[in-house]
Amino acid sequence: LAKTTQPISMDSYEGQEVNITCSHNNIATNDYITWYQQFPSQGPRFIIQGYKTKVTNEVASLFIPADRKSSTLSLPRVSLSDTAVYYCLVVPPTGGSYIPTFGRGTSLIVHP
Amino acid sequence: DSGVTQTPKHLITATGQRVTLRCSPRSGDLSVYWYQQSLDQGLQFLIQYYNGEERAKGNILERFSAQQFPDLHSELNLSSLELGDSALYFCASSVGAGGSYNEQFFGPGTRLTVL
Repeated sequence: LAKTTQPISMDSYEGQEVNITCSHNNIATNDYITWYQQFPSQGPRFIIQGYKTKVTNEVASLFIPADRKSSTLSLPRVSLSDTAVYYCLVVPPTGGSYIPTFGRGTSLIVHP
Repeated sequence: DSGVTQTPKHLITATGQRVTLRCSPRSGDLSVYWYQQSLDQGLQFLIQYYNGEERAKGNILERFSAQQFPDLHSELNLSSLELGDSALYFCASSVGAGGSYNEQFFGPGTRLTVL
C-alpha cells in the first residue's frame, strides 16, 4: 500500500493560490490519487481525483507529474472558507481489501 | 448534506460502559465504512462492510465490533469504554466495494465523550 506524505500545516491569505504537495513514492501502476477536504466538526468530503497529468473541477486542480511519485492540489484564490484539513490518498481502482488511509492531512489556515 | 445519517450526534458515558452508534448510508450505497478521529491520531479507518459482509478491517480494537444489517444500515458497538475512546466517530458510504471509482460520502459524525 502506497504511503503518502504531506505537510502538517500551511498558512495563506485570502486571494492567494495555495498548492499542497503530497508525496507517494511507491504508488502502484493502477492507483489513483484522491483528495478529500474536511471542515471543522464535519466529515471529510471528496474534492478531486486524478491518475495522471492535470485534472480540474470547480473546486480545485490536481497536477500529477509523469512519474506519479507526487501530486499537487491547487486551490485558486482561496477564501476564509477554504480553511480546512486536506487529505491525500492513494487509491486502487477496485476495493479488494483496500484500507483507506487518511492520516492527519494538511491543515490549511487562510488569514484575512 | 451528504445523505449519510448518524445517530446520536453526541454521546456522553462513563468508563466501562457499552454504546452503540448507528449509521444509515445514502440510498443505493452498499458499502459502509467506520472511522475514528481523535486529536492525536487523525482520521483512522476502523472497518468496512459491503452488502452485509465485512470487506476490510483496519486498526479496530477487539472491544469494538460492527455489523451491517439487511436494510444496509450499520451499527458500531464500543464496549468496556476507556477515556481514550473519546473521539469523533464517522460513518461513510459508497456505491460499490471501494477503490477509486467509489467516492466515500461521510456522515456528520457522533462525538463520544467517555468520563
